[in-house]
Amino acid sequence: AQSVAQPEDQVNVAEGNPLTVKCTYSVSGNPYLFWYVQYPNRGLQFLLKYITGDNLVKGSYGFEAEFNKSQTSFHLKKPSALVSDSALYFCAVRDTGRRALTFGSGTRLQVQP
Amino acid sequence: DADVTQTPRNRITKTGKRIMLECSQTKGHDRMYWYRQDPGLGLRLIYYSFDVKDINKGEISDGYSVSRQAQAKFSLSLESAIPNQTALYFCATSGTSGMEQYFGPGTRLTVT
Repeated sequence: AQSVAQPEDQVNVAEGNPLTVKCTYSVSGNPYLFWYVQYPNRGLQFLLKYITGDNLVKGSYGFEAEFNKSQTSFHLKKPSALVSDSALYFCAVRDTGRRALTFGSGTRLQVQP
Repeated sequence: DADVTQTPRNRITKTGKRIMLECSQTKGHDRMYWYRQDPGLGLRLIYYSFDVKDINKGEISDGYSVSRQAQAKFSLSLESAIPNQTALYFCATSGTSGMEQYFGPGTRLTVT
């Protein structure tokens, strides 16, 4: 079975500071990993994905994520947070043999001015 | 995302009623999905379809059924709605690789 854990319900950060949203995963094979963002009253939007290759993946809106196989983690990062980054962030995983994604429970990011 | 539309956007219904949620997409994707979102639980997969003749149960399919009327349309039905089906429902699509998914705006369903 595949699973995803987002250990923080909420992350608070001041505007201009770096941010990290944590994600750990469990799969039986090689993972495909994703981050999505949900703004209020909207559907989820794709941010970035890791399939293979470079462990540091760059995505939309200045976000990046670091894949760490030994720690089974895929943390989302941004060097300098913006108030407009405030949203709900979801990590998702799929192993190479399965047909659908499994999502984490979500982390609410609050960026204070 | 205007490429994936859901109707209705909001619905209030009574326990025991049958209700259908509809999803249409103009992205030309073969794969379509239905999820429900509950606070603190993230998104959970209800059903998914990889083409018109390939429909599969997700992790929480009990109490739900689906119909893939065409490549572009995927409907979710609650045969006899119950209050714990109150949730936000999302439709999504993806291309053949199944990687990046595109989500509709959601349907907020309340069962009283």
